[in-house]
Amino acid sequence: SQTIHQWPATLVQPVGSPLSLECTVEGTSNPNLYWYRQAAGRGLQLLFYSVGIGQISSEVPQNLSASRPQDRQFILSSKKLLLSDSGFYLCAWRPSDRGNYGYTFGSGTRLTVV
Amino acid sequence: KQEVTQIPAALSVPEGENLVLNCSFTDSAIYNLQWFRQDPGKGLTSLLLIQSSQREQTSGRLNASLDKSSGRSTLYIAASQPGDSATYLCAVNRIGGTSYGKLTFGQGTILTVHP
Repeated sequence: SQTIHQWPATLVQPVGSPLSLECTVEGTSNPNLYWYRQAAGRGLQLLFYSVGIGQISSEVPQNLSASRPQDRQFILSSKKLLLSDSGFYLCAWRPSDRGNYGYTFGSGTRLTVV
Repeated sequence: KQEVTQIPAALSVPEGENLVLNCSFTDSAIYNLQWFRQDPGKGLTSLLLIQSSQREQTSGRLNASLDKSSGRSTLYIAASQPGDSATYLCAVNRIGGTSYGKLTFGQGTILTVHP
């Protein structure tokens, strides 16, 4: 069976510090991968998606970047965090070759920038 | 641009009641619609997935319907329990172009079931 892992679960970082959040998927190959952010009082916003190694698409301009160094690894990064980067970050995956399949989400990372 | 709206924003019911959560979307060009549950501080748990060609899906006490032509879906919860308390999110997976199947979420319905 397929599983998705995110870490860390909670992170408190000072403004201006770097960020690296990691997501890995097991039990499948060539998944579509997604990073979403859920800010307080707001809905879920798609940040990045990837359909293959090294292929990253950004949905909104922001202070963050994403990378996919391996088939089942998706990383969310920032060189210098802003207060507005605080939120709940969720990674998700779905099969790339089955358009009608649903999404599976990880357990999330709560990021607080202080 | 796809927009998803969920009504009501919050709902409080006594245990044992049957209840309905509503979701509407503006663009009917969708692959499917997915209902999720989110407990406080946790990730999203998929409840039901309805394909665009389907009318409904059932899992235990949950039943979700889809009327693509009118842009509506409902999640029916039978015999509610305190453990059902959570935020329920509706999301549509749209078709076409370079979408690669991106989900658009509603704002969610916060459900509280009190004993």
